[in-house]
Amino acid sequence: DTGVSQDPRHKITKRGQNVTFRCDPISEHNRLYWYRQTLGQGPEFLTYFQNEAQLEKSRLLSDRFSAERPKGSFSTLEIQRTEQGDSAMYLCASSLEKGGLETQYFGPGTRLLVL
Amino acid sequence: AQTVTQSQPEMSVQEAETVTLSCTYDTSENNYYLFWYKQPPSRQMILVIRQEAYKQQNATENRFSVNFQKAAKSFSLKISDSQLGDTAMYFCAFSLYFGNEKLTFGTGTRLTIIP
Repeated sequence: DTGVSQDPRHKITKRGQNVTFRCDPISEHNRLYWYRQTLGQGPEFLTYFQNEAQLEKSRLLSDRFSAERPKGSFSTLEIQRTEQGDSAMYLCASSLEKGGLETQYFGPGTRLLVL
Repeated sequence: AQTVTQSQPEMSVQEAETVTLSCTYDTSENNYYLFWYKQPPSRQMILVIRQEAYKQQNATENRFSVNFQKAAKSFSLKISDSQLGDTAMYFCAFSLYFGNEKLTFGTGTRLTIIP
């Protein structure tokens, strides 16, 4: 049983560099969510996809952030010109939306440290 | 906008005892879902229990149960016969009933089970 996977698990980068994270959802899940979790806080919603369509973006997602889900399978989250404030855990979750209550299954996260 | 508040940053309890974690939320919506997620140290977040707001009966999953008070906008989690493996961060979360079911999380309660 393969769950949600994320790569890399850890990333250290210098301020101003670009980084890209990948999320592989549970097979056949049509929804994919990205959240950001800073120390001592609960996860905060960033964006979500239904299949390949990006349907909502949070105001937290500045112009430096871009997410894609080509072909409705895996997703990437790119941060351009990273800032120290981007340091956080980036969580991906997937779910199967069937017109009723859906359960989001989370990946292990990518911990980003911007120096 | 919806908000979720967890007023207990940390709790500890002896193994085999019962513990209750508190959660309050604010929304103007009538139909929504509530969740408790568990995030063990260095491990991914998993769903513990969920409650549909239109259901009056409190949800139960083995040793985990909730006390859902819709009028008071309260959603507490009771863990019976606590075990060492229950040590984790616990997050209360909210989502709307239809459409984008992004989760709004509280700040979490760090629960430690003492042997």
